[in-house]
Amino acid sequence: DGGITQSPKYLFRKEGQNVTLSCEQNLNHDAMYWYRQDPGQGLRLIYYSQIVNDFQKGDIAEGYSVSREKKESFPLTVTSAQKNPTAFYLCASTLAAEGGYGYTFGSGTRLTVV
Amino acid sequence: GNSVTQMEGPVTLSEEAFLTINCTYTATGYPSLFWYVQYPGEGLQLLLKATKADDKGSNKGFEATYRKETTSFHLEKGSVQVSDSAVYFCALSDVGSERRNKLVFGAGTILRVKS
Repeated sequence: DGGITQSPKYLFRKEGQNVTLSCEQNLNHDAMYWYRQDPGQGLRLIYYSQIVNDFQKGDIAEGYSVSREKKESFPLTVTSAQKNPTAFYLCASTLAAEGGYGYTFGSGTRLTVV
Repeated sequence: GNSVTQMEGPVTLSEEAFLTINCTYTATGYPSLFWYVQYPGEGLQLLLKATKADDKGSNKGFEATYRKETTSFHLEKGSVQVSDSAVYFCALSDVGSERRNKLVFGAGTILRVKS
């Protein structure tokens, strides 16, 4: 079955450490997105990519980095510059041509700083 | 800019009660509108959508009608179940030449259904 796979489900980061969250999709979607969700809050866009080898900053890109070397993959790195990284991270994808299709989401990665 | 406003929760109902979660939006042009549902510890799932004015989206007993005159997309269900307990997000597609496929989300509304 087609879908989006995020891994790991739980991740623990030490202070000053970079960590990478994986997001893989087999839906043949062109566009991919990373969102951050804090308790009791909505979703905030970190980065998005509409085509391979191209990506744009969202609303809260500071302290994060991404790459899009393959259509299927859009990993997110949380760098040591992100001062408050503890959150639930969601990856999503959609067909690029039409916004009316909506997004397909992965099941999320919960990142905790220890 | 484009924005979505949802009613604050939590909304607490008894089983079989009628549900309404209000959603209003601000947007230029003609966005598509969506409702997503998030169960504890999981990602978001598309519940229903509407792509033009007066369209009604429906799924699993939930309905919402795209009302352009009131810029609203309220979610309704005639008889809720305990299994409907979740967080519900209203969203719109961010129209514009480069932003057509970017979704703008509301803050989410927690629904708790008691047996």
